[in-house]
Parts: sequence; C-alpha cells; structure tokens
Amino acid sequence: NAGVTQTPKFQVLKTGQSMTLQCAQDMNHEYMSWYRQDPGMGLRLIHYSVGAGITDQGEVPNGYNVSRSTTEDFPLRLLSAAPSQTSVYFCASSPPGGFEQYFGPGTRLTVT
Amino acid sequence: GQQVMQIPQYQHVQEGEDFTTYCNSSTTLSNIQWYKQRPGGHPVFLIQLVKSGEVKKQKRLTFQFGEAKKNSSLHITATQTTDVGTYFCAGRGGRRALTFGSGTRLQVQP
Repeated sequence: NAGVTQTPKFQVLKTGQSMTLQCAQDMNHEYMSWYRQDPGMGLRLIHYSVGAGITDQGEVPNGYNVSRSTTEDFPLRLLSAAPSQTSVYFCASSPPGGFEQYFGPGTRLTVT
Repeated sequence: GQQVMQIPQYQHVQEGEDFTTYCNSSTTLSNIQWYKQRPGGHPVFLIQLVKSGEVKKQKRLTFQFGEAKKNSSLHITATQTTDVGTYFCAGRGGRRALTFGSGTRLQVQP
C-alpha cells in the first residue's frame, strides 16, 4: 500500500489563481479530511468526508471546495488563491470503524 | 465551537530530563488522540484514550485522560534526541471530526 499520497509537494500561486490539491489513498478508508497547518496554530480542519458522495465543512472552509466521487480520491480546490491561504496542507484518512488518522506527506503552498 | 488548548508551546530539555505537555478542552470529549510530528514531516498517530481517568503507557511515554474527560497529558520519561518533534493532542466531541491543539514543540539537547 502506498498509504495517503498528495500532489504536488510544493506549489507557488499568484493571487487570484485557482488550483486543485490532489489526495488519494489505497487503503479503502471511508473517512478523509483536509487540514491546513500554520505556525503556532496546529492543524485546522477545512473539509471532511465520511464516504463517497458525502462531504461536510470543517473549521475553516471558506475559499475551498471539495468533492468525493470515489472512495480513493478527495481533491481540495482553491477557487481564487489569496496570500492568507499560504500554508502547509495535509490530507488524512481513517479506516472503517477505526479512529486513528493516517496523514499524507503534505503540500506546501505559497500564494504571492 | 469546541476549542482545544495545549501548553507549553515550546520546551527545551537536556537529554535525560523528563517532559510533559498538557491539553485542555472547552467541552467534554468522547475521546482524545495524540500525534507526533517530526520536523518537516507529517503527524503520526500515537494513541487514543477513551475512558475517564484512563492511563496508557508506550515505553517511556505515559498518556492520561482526565476524570472529567476535558483534559489530557503526555509525559516522556528520560527524553532522547529521537523524541524531538511537535506533539499534538486532538479531541473528539460529538462529531467524528477532530479538533487539534496548537501543539508543543520539544527540543532535546544532547
């Protein structure tokens, strides 16, 4: 198993540009989530999904969209990038009936 | 909304000294998890506590869940350089989503 994979590893955007951060897992996990990590602020939940076709907002959803068309993939879309979205983004998944979250390696995003 | 606070933000110890980080929630939790993140890495799950007053040990690490299920602690005995990293607690209330604390960064001097 590759576990949780994220692409790209690094990205630089200009203000107003849009892009999609990719996340995939090959462990047949139902629960998937996106976090952003900023210095001194821990991990804040952006969006999460409890299964294909089901998504919900987390703590900081504004400026981000998600969809879950398959169990494996959970892409995060930035609609119009802003400097405040400069952060490290982590995707995570949990097994059915499980509780621990498996994190991907992260995407470091800079918006200029 | 649910808030999870963690102290201290940063701790610098000599190798061999003990270390403790504390986690406090604004609401009662159904369970609490602990994660470790090495510098430049991603969070890695350490443990989950569910029961009031629960204590679990993993080698030199001792995890406690408070009687009121609103606080937790992680204690490391005789730190080693391999313990360097940021330790996060994450609490779960009624929803499945976790709320993470801001983390405690541990630096261990050889």
